[in-house]
Amino acid sequence: AQSVTQLDSQVPVFEEAPVELRCNYSSSVSVYLFWYVQYPNQGLQLLLKYLSGSTLVKGINGFEAEFNKSQTSFHLRKPSVHISDTAEYFCAVSEINAGKSTFGDGTTLTVKP
Amino acid sequence: DTGVSQDPRHKITKRGQNVTFRCDPISEHNRLYWYRQTLGQGPEFLTYFQNEAQLEKSRLLSDRFSAERPKGSFSTLEIQRTEQGDSAMYLCAVRGTKGEKLFFGSGTQLSVL
Repeated sequence: AQSVTQLDSQVPVFEEAPVELRCNYSSSVSVYLFWYVQYPNQGLQLLLKYLSGSTLVKGINGFEAEFNKSQTSFHLRKPSVHISDTAEYFCAVSEINAGKSTFGDGTTLTVKP
Repeated sequence: DTGVSQDPRHKITKRGQNVTFRCDPISEHNRLYWYRQTLGQGPEFLTYFQNEAQLEKSRLLSDRFSAERPKGSFSTLEIQRTEQGDSAMYLCAVRGTKGEKLFFGSGTQLSVL
């Protein structure tokens, strides 16, 4: 079994400030890790993924995330946010070669001018 | 264009009625998933198919829910005797050809009155 905990349900931040959205996961086997983004009135789309190799992964729109196996974390970061980054962000985990992905409950990022 | 079309986009029904949703991947994908999302929560896994075979169903899925993928392409999700608690966004997704990320449709928003 696997589970995902997103530690912050809402993160308000001012434009051009840095942001970190926290994600912890639990699994007894090796996993793939993902961050998805859902803009208002749009479907979910992939932001970035960790499969193997370098623990620092870069995604679209200047986001990056770092996989920390010892802390079972996969926190999402951006050094300078824009108004257009306002969205719901979901962390997800998928056991390698397994079928389903398990999602966290999401973090609402609100970027204020 | 997510590559996954869902129909209808919105469905309003009265409690006790049956509803059916359809998911059409634009191209061939072996694995197809159904998720349910309610306000303030992440997508919750319902079931998935490998081609036409239904390989896993969530324990949370009651007997009123049934899904099919008769030819391994499009899929349908039927809810019988709908209840107000069934009100949610129903998402269909397919797994990419490399087997990692999910491509989501825009979903069907169900409202049970």
